Amino acid sequence: DIQMTQSPSFLSASVGDRVTITCRASQSISRYLNWYQQKPGKAPKLLIYAASSLQSGVPSRFSGSGSGTDFTLTISSLQPEDFATYYCQESYSTLTFGGGTKVEIK
Amino acid sequence: EVQLVESGGGLVQPGGSLRLSCAASGFTFSSYSMSWVRQAPGKGLEWVSSISGSGGSTYYADSVKGRFTISRDNSKNTLYLQMNSLRAEDTAVYYCAKRMRTTSYDPFDYWGQGTLVTVSS
Repeated sequence: DIQMTQSPSFLSASVGDRVTITCRASQSISRYLNWYQQKPGKAPKLLIYAASSLQSGVPSRFSGSGSGTDFTLTISSLQPEDFATYYCQESYSTLTFGGGTKVEIK
Repeated sequence: EVQLVESGGGLVQPGGSLRLSCAASGFTFSSYSMSWVRQAPGKGLEWVSSISGSGGSTYYADSVKGRFTISRDNSKNTLYLQMNSLRAEDTAVYYCAKRMRTTSYDPFDYWGQGTLVTVSS
């Protein structure tokens, strides 16, 4: 099975900061990598699919990059509503999620 | 507007059974693969099971294989998850989720609000 490793698992940042979250797959998944945002008590929300495609309605401050085994989610200027937990997911094989990255207010 | 509404969660004893339902609306249900994803309290997301649009193909995580059965009734626009031989480690919020398009590589673009299953004596 493919393992998905996110880092960091927790980060503290301020409004306006540039934030980068990484996700590494245990084997190549081409560009079949998706990013979700989840707020407490809510369902996950799709942000980025196919590594770099922005889901409709998602602000352009979110971007994704990478291919093969290494991927990145970047928030160019963190907004108050962005404090949440972020998950990567591979859709190449068994739909495995990463362990999550919780973004909190510094 | 796409809507996914889960129901059927609750408290069940270890070894017991429960059937979850997910009522779908706002899209052509039979055209899309559907899935169940769960989240244990304070933990991350875990894919549980998927079913093709026709219902002819099903897929399961190793952790539930042989105990859970996914099915769908396209005439009722409803997805199901029959859960048998439940264990404490099955305690989680269960979400149903729709694939964005019709390939197996697509992400989940819509999710339900989730239904809590608690396995405890």
